[in-house]
Amino acid sequence: SYVLTQPPSVSVAPGKTARITCGGNNIGSKSVHWYQQKPGQAPVLVIYYDSDRPSGIPERFSGSNSGNTATLTISRVEAGDEADYYCQVWDSSSDHQVFGGGTKLTVL
Amino acid sequence: QVQLVESGGGLVKPGGSLRLSCAASGFTFSDYYMSWIRQAPGKGLEWVSYISSSGSTIYYADSVKGRFTISRDNAKNSLYLQMNSLRAEDTAVYYCARAQAPPGGGGDCYADYWGQGTLVTVSS
Repeated sequence: SYVLTQPPSVSVAPGKTARITCGGNNIGSKSVHWYQQKPGQAPVLVIYYDSDRPSGIPERFSGSNSGNTATLTISRVEAGDEADYYCQVWDSSSDHQVFGGGTKLTVL
Repeated sequence: QVQLVESGGGLVKPGGSLRLSCAASGFTFSDYYMSWIRQAPGKGLEWVSYISSSGSTIYYADSVKGRFTISRDNAKNSLYLQMNSLRAEDTAVYYCARAQAPPGGGGDCYADYWGQGTLVTVSS
């Protein structure tokens, strides 16, 4: 089955740029979606189809996808961005939706 | 505004059954695929199942296939998850989510709206 690998944690100072990676075999050929989840809350979609932002998501959130790595980039990080982030793809070979293990973003 | 409200969670013994419901409002329910996604305590997200807008196409995760059944009633704007032969590892918060399918349909969906979840605890 298809596996998505995320770093368990990423730390960044306020105002800096955070990059959260999502690794998978030839993930660049798939569409990647990203979710933000704060403690005790339901996930929120922040990026879909690799780099599109839903309405209401700040422009500070962006995404890219190429080769074996997709990346969620958060510019000018704020304290309110502290959360768990998950990537997700559709694996057409198994007809399964797959989530990465999640990355906890800590704002120092 | 889009609202998804899950219900039906609770404590059940191993081997027991439970039926989750999700009441949808604020959008044309019959136009959208819908998903169930779960999260075990302190763990990550796990996709469970999803169903096409008409109900004609259904997918399940291997971990629940043969035990869980997803269904929908478009006349009632409701999504369901019948869970049988429950195991301790099924303990999780179960989220109902609206799924955006690609043009032409198919499995490559993303969840653009989520409910607040309902907790299912399987324990003796």
